[in-house]
Amino acid sequence: SQQGEEDPQALSIQEGENATMNCSYKTSINNLQWYRQNSGRGLVHLILIRSNEREKHSGRLRVTLDTSKKSSSLLITASRAADTASYFCAYGGTGRRALTFGSGTRLQVQP
Amino acid sequence: DAGVIQSPRHEVTEMGQEVTLRCKPISGHDYLFWYRQTMMRGLELLIYFNNNVPIDDSGMPEDRFSAKMPNASFSTLKIQPSEPRDSAVYFCASSLVVRAGANVLTFGAGSRLTVL
Repeated sequence: SQQGEEDPQALSIQEGENATMNCSYKTSINNLQWYRQNSGRGLVHLILIRSNEREKHSGRLRVTLDTSKKSSSLLITASRAADTASYFCAYGGTGRRALTFGSGTRLQVQP
Repeated sequence: DAGVIQSPRHEVTEMGQEVTLRCKPISGHDYLFWYRQTMMRGLELLIYFNNNVPIDDSGMPEDRFSAKMPNASFSTLKIQPSEPRDSAVYFCASSLVVRAGANVLTFGAGSRLTVL
């Protein structure tokens, strides 16, 4: 399977703490994206990083990408209860428009 | 725009019955994707279309599954006959290629299928 792996599978933190999720993938990519899924809902796009970028910021989100290690991380700073959701990395290969999704990290932020 | 619209939201059927899931993508989006989500296998790509033409259907599990996109505003995923192992949440997503060739997907709310 080309599906990416994410760790941890589950993460429980207190409000105000930072949450870090990691993603590893197996193929060559031209971009990597992160999506959030609230319980019972569809996925929502959060942030995209291109293969020639190493770091990207968007509000409380920080994404890093290391193509030599085929890995990415998502950092959510100053977490809130509303950040409770599952987070998925997704990536597209060269010439391939469909995204392959990672296995996901379930984040629980305790108020 | 109302986003990607899927129907039905929930479907409970008996083994052997035909199931049809429907999707209306965002107007102007030229890519449409069908994914399936289960606890065991995560999110799997089933098939995707570009300008209503199927591009990659290698993820369609068996001949029991078929998908069509007769026009730019409508797609169906059909399972005939359905089996209990088809129970999953089926997502439709659409996109417009942006930002140096990257597809950013907009997902529908999903159709939860239970086959008894």
